[in-house]
Amino acid sequence: RKEVEQDPGPFNVPEGATVAFNCTYSNSASQSFFWYRQDCRKEPKLLMSVYSSGNEDGRFTAQLNRASQYISLLIRDSKLSDSATYLCVVNGYNTDKLIFGTGTRLQVFP
Amino acid sequence: NAGVMQNPRHLVRRRGQEARLRCSPMKGHSHVYWYRQLPEEGLKFMVYLQKENIIDESGMPKERFSAEFPKEGPSILRIQQVVRGDSAAYFCASSPEMGTEAFFGQGTRLTVV
Repeated sequence: RKEVEQDPGPFNVPEGATVAFNCTYSNSASQSFFWYRQDCRKEPKLLMSVYSSGNEDGRFTAQLNRASQYISLLIRDSKLSDSATYLCVVNGYNTDKLIFGTGTRLQVFP
Repeated sequence: NAGVMQNPRHLVRRRGQEARLRCSPMKGHSHVYWYRQLPEEGLKFMVYLQKENIIDESGMPKERFSAEFPKEGPSILRIQQVVRGDSAAYFCASSPEMGTEAFFGQGTRLTVV
């Protein structure tokens, strides 16, 4: 089983739609969780950290479910500029290295 | 506060040459990660370093690859005797401490001809 797994997509949605991505992780002792965004051929950029209580930043909401070992990202009112690959990131317990999922590609169309 | 700086941005090497990739972390960050990304693929962890220490190198090929993060100066990823399969984007990220979010440099695109 991969340490971090994501549905690769692509998710093709119209502007204004709500879209949700899930990510599962294998290490139950993981402590830190993040969502990053990567545009084509660019460096990944931090979108948001994921806290146990869940957190929201504008149109973006992240949730953590420790019991089922998954995290989610919800994007409301999708914009064309949201088109990118969304990377789920989990850190290990012993060495704290950041493990990236392979990403979920989102394409928002007019 | 300058971000993570990587250089060179593009590097072309002939097969058998050495490639040296540099990464200067953000000010105040003492942890550095290196990742490799092949076209149309995800980020693959290579190595995680703290100043003067390698914390985790489980993703680094056993031969030809080495990394360091000296007390002074940038972190260096060194690839000896490069082969065509080493062609990829190499990203460096830094974080202030263990378990916190990391910030990426713009990457070095290595092309082996």
